[in-house]
Amino acid sequence: EAGVAQSPRYKIIEKRQSVAFWCNPISGHATLYWYQQILGQGPKLLIQFQNNGVVDDSQLPKDRFSAERLKGVDSTLKIQPAKLEDSAVYLCASSLIIASGETQYFGPGTRLLVL
Amino acid sequence: TQLLEQSPQFLSIQEGENLTVYCNSSSVFSSLQWYRQEPGEGPVLLVTVVTGGEVKKLKRLTFQFGDARKDSSLHITAAQPGDTGLYLCAGTDSNYQLIWGAGTKLIIKP
Repeated sequence: EAGVAQSPRYKIIEKRQSVAFWCNPISGHATLYWYQQILGQGPKLLIQFQNNGVVDDSQLPKDRFSAERLKGVDSTLKIQPAKLEDSAVYLCASSLIIASGETQYFGPGTRLLVL
Repeated sequence: TQLLEQSPQFLSIQEGENLTVYCNSSSVFSSLQWYRQEPGEGPVLLVTVVTGGEVKKLKRLTFQFGDARKDSSLHITAAQPGDTGLYLCAGTDSNYQLIWGAGTKLIIKP
C-alpha cells in the first residue's frame, strides 16, 4: 500500500513570495490533515478535512494560508505572501476516519525555508 | 487549552543503557499515542494506549498510560543506535483532535 505522498520535498523562497505544497493521501482515507512543524517543536495542526469539507481550520492563519481538497482526495496548501516565520516542515497526514486513537499516517513533509 | 509536556527535551546516552521519557498533562485524554520521527521523515506511530493503567510492550519499548489517563511514559531497555529519533506523544481530546507534545530528542551513542 502506498503511503502519503508530498511534493516538493524542499523549497526555498524569499519573503513575500508565494508557495504551494501538494499532498496525496493513502487511498480510501477520508480524513486529511496539514501540520506545521517548527524545528524543536511538535506538529501544529493547520487544517483538517473530512472528504472535501473542512472540519477544523482554527489555527490556520487565513490572511496568508489557504488549503483545498476539491475532490476529496488530493490537497494543496498555499502560503501567500510568505514570512520568515513560516520556515518549517509542512506535514500532511491522513487517516481512515475521525476517531479516538485512530492512526494518522504521515508523509515525509515539505521543508520550507523563507529567506 | 490542553497541553502535553514532554520531558526531558533532549537525552543522549550510551548504547545499552536504559531510559524513560515522560508525557504529562493536567487534562484527561481518551487515548494517547507515541510516535517516532526520524530526520527528514514524518512521524510514525509506535503505539496507542486507551485504558488507564494500560501497559504495552513493543520489543524493548514499554509504554504505560497513567491511571487517570493524564500522563504516559515510554521506557526503553538496552537502548540501541537505531532507537535514535524524536519521540512525540499525542493525546486525543474530546473533539477527536490530537494534542501534541514538543517531543524528546533521543540520541544513542554506539
